Amino acid sequence: GENVEQHPSTLSVQEGDSAVIKCTYSDSASNYFPWYKQELGKRPQLIIDIRSNVGEKKDQRIAVTLNKTAKHFSLHITETQPEDSAVYFCAASPGGYQKVTFGTGTKLQVIP
Amino acid sequence: GAVVSQHPSWVICKSGTSVKIECRSLDFQATTMFWYRQFPKQSLMLMATSNEGSKATYEQGVEKDKFLINHASLTLSTLTVTSAHPEDSSFYICSARDGGKPQHFGDGTRLSIL
Repeated sequence: GENVEQHPSTLSVQEGDSAVIKCTYSDSASNYFPWYKQELGKRPQLIIDIRSNVGEKKDQRIAVTLNKTAKHFSLHITETQPEDSAVYFCAASPGGYQKVTFGTGTKLQVIP
Repeated sequence: GAVVSQHPSWVICKSGTSVKIECRSLDFQATTMFWYRQFPKQSLMLMATSNEGSKATYEQGVEKDKFLINHASLTLSTLTVTSAHPEDSSFYICSARDGGKPQHFGDGTRLSIL
């Protein structure tokens, strides 16, 4: 089955700096890669996703890049704000009706 | 859009009790629902996948007789933790998906077994 690894497990950045979270996956059949943000005690919320037919996707301060050859994808958050502080999960799926496998999570702390 | 309602949000009960958790999709048809378990500071571990009208598919290591899942309609799935014990205490989260679209999560249920 799919195995998703995520690094770093914790990340502290100064407000205004950029944050980068990296993930690798093992199943070459995976073609859908969502990212979720989870605040303490709350539901994970989809913040951005990318499919394998594109290498990069951007939504305001958030961008995701995908390297299918190397089987890794990354989340980039620019101009970080204190409200970006949360746990971020990457995930991978073969798409369609298949299940999603989550990474181990990154706790991001943005220091004002 | 794509709202998933889960309740109760918090349950405290005695050991040996059975607990039912409901997951509802409010504004879309959930052809597939997923049940996850999350321990503190850890990732979401998939327990089972349920498709409307059919039996749930359980992940390896998850006892199907312990965690009963019913997905009787396109908007409702239930997870029943039977004869719960302290080791079953955890945060349980459901998610729902319409076909191949992205899944959306409920708010989770914090289960504490005394």
